[in-house]
Amino acid sequence: LAKTTQPISMDSYEGQEVNITCSHNNIATNDYITWYQQFPSQGPRFIIQGYKTKVTNEVASLFIPADRKSSTLSLPRVSLSDTAVYYCLVVGAYNTDKLIFGTGTRLQVFP
Amino acid sequence: ETGVTQTPRHLVMGMTNKKSLKCEQHLGHNAMYWYKQSAKKPLELMFVYSLEERVENNSVPSRFSPECPNSSHLFLHLHTLQPEDSALYLCASSQGRDSYYEQYFGPGTRLTVT
Repeated sequence: LAKTTQPISMDSYEGQEVNITCSHNNIATNDYITWYQQFPSQGPRFIIQGYKTKVTNEVASLFIPADRKSSTLSLPRVSLSDTAVYYCLVVGAYNTDKLIFGTGTRLQVFP
Repeated sequence: ETGVTQTPRHLVMGMTNKKSLKCEQHLGHNAMYWYKQSAKKPLELMFVYSLEERVENNSVPSRFSPECPNSSHLFLHLHTLQPEDSALYLCASSQGRDSYYEQYFGPGTRLTVT
């Protein structure tokens, strides 16, 4: 299984760009990188998924270098409402064994 | 609003009670999941259903019994629980088992076992 490692916590201020890096050295060829966001006492919310290079949607961008051993979730101009736990997962088709959320990164945004 | 609803939102039960958690998805998905999230612990996958058939059971104690009567509904029947079973129970769905990585979660049921 591709184990992921991400910082336990990060602090930021409103309006700043936040980059959360996740390392996954044992990622397999057919694995994808997926990020979720979770607010307290709520279920996680799917944010973004990518395989390589860069993926962008209305919420975030995901940067994946050529070797795919790490990935960076970028949140542009965060607000207080972005305070949450962010999970990086490495997943492959049909293999729910890889659906491991881990402890995630707790992002605290200050005014 | 994710299109996945769970009832009840809060439940307090004694160790000898029998209760059921209900999950309903309005997304037309074919796969559904139960998770447990204890305080300060990572999310744990409990059960996976695909097209109403259980495809995975991650060594969950038999006091938790899932039921999936159709692709829109998922139940978790509880009996003879222990205090350590107190947790947030989350239901999720995905379009299919092959797209399990993009899941839509419900708000959860906060369970307290006394």
